Amino acid sequence: DIQMTQSPSSLSASVGDRVTITCRASESITTYLNWYQQKPGKAPKLLISAASNLQSGVPSRFSGSGSGTDFTLTITSLQPEDFATYYCQHSYITPYTFGQGTKLEIK
Amino acid sequence: QITLKESGPTLVKPTQTLTLTCTFSGFSLTTPGVGVGWVRQPPGKALEWVANLYWNDDKLYSPSLKSRLTITKDTSKNQVVLTMTDMDPVDTAAYYCAHRRRGDSAFDPWGQGTLVTVSS
Repeated sequence: DIQMTQSPSSLSASVGDRVTITCRASESITTYLNWYQQKPGKAPKLLISAASNLQSGVPSRFSGSGSGTDFTLTITSLQPEDFATYYCQHSYITPYTFGQGTKLEIK
Repeated sequence: QITLKESGPTLVKPTQTLTLTCTFSGFSLTTPGVGVGWVRQPPGKALEWVANLYWNDDKLYSPSLKSRLTITKDTSKNQVVLTMTDMDPVDTAAYYCAHRRRGDSAFDPWGQGTLVTVSS
């Protein structure tokens, strides 16, 4: 199975900050990497697919990059509604493993 | 607009079998490339992929759960059913179904989820 390692596991930041979350795959997944945002008590929401494709309706302050084994999710100018938990997930081959999550908290 | 909704028991006893139904609209499971996935999340923990069912009736299961899982579809009802046998308290989790997209295979959108508690 391909393992996904996210870092950091938690992050404190302020409104207006720029943050970066990284995700590393245990082997190459080309660009089959997706990022989800989850707020407490809610289902995950797809933000970025195929490493860098921003989903319709997702603010442009979110961006994704990477290929192979190393990927990043960047949020520029954090807004109050961005404080949530973020998960990476590969969809290269089943099992589609998720990272352990990054909880983004208000400083 | 694609929507999905999970339904099933909220409480099951250890050793019992769990049956969850995902009822969807806005897409067809006869369209090539399309699928439905199940993902679960124990309270306070990370997401865990459980199974996928595809338009051609291919089924893929988490290796750690495979012996206990069955996934089926009823295209006439737009439903996917997940069955998990021999439930244990560690299986307590929110269970989500999601539309698995063609191409990038991402899950989008997701159902609201249903919390299943395993307890005697």
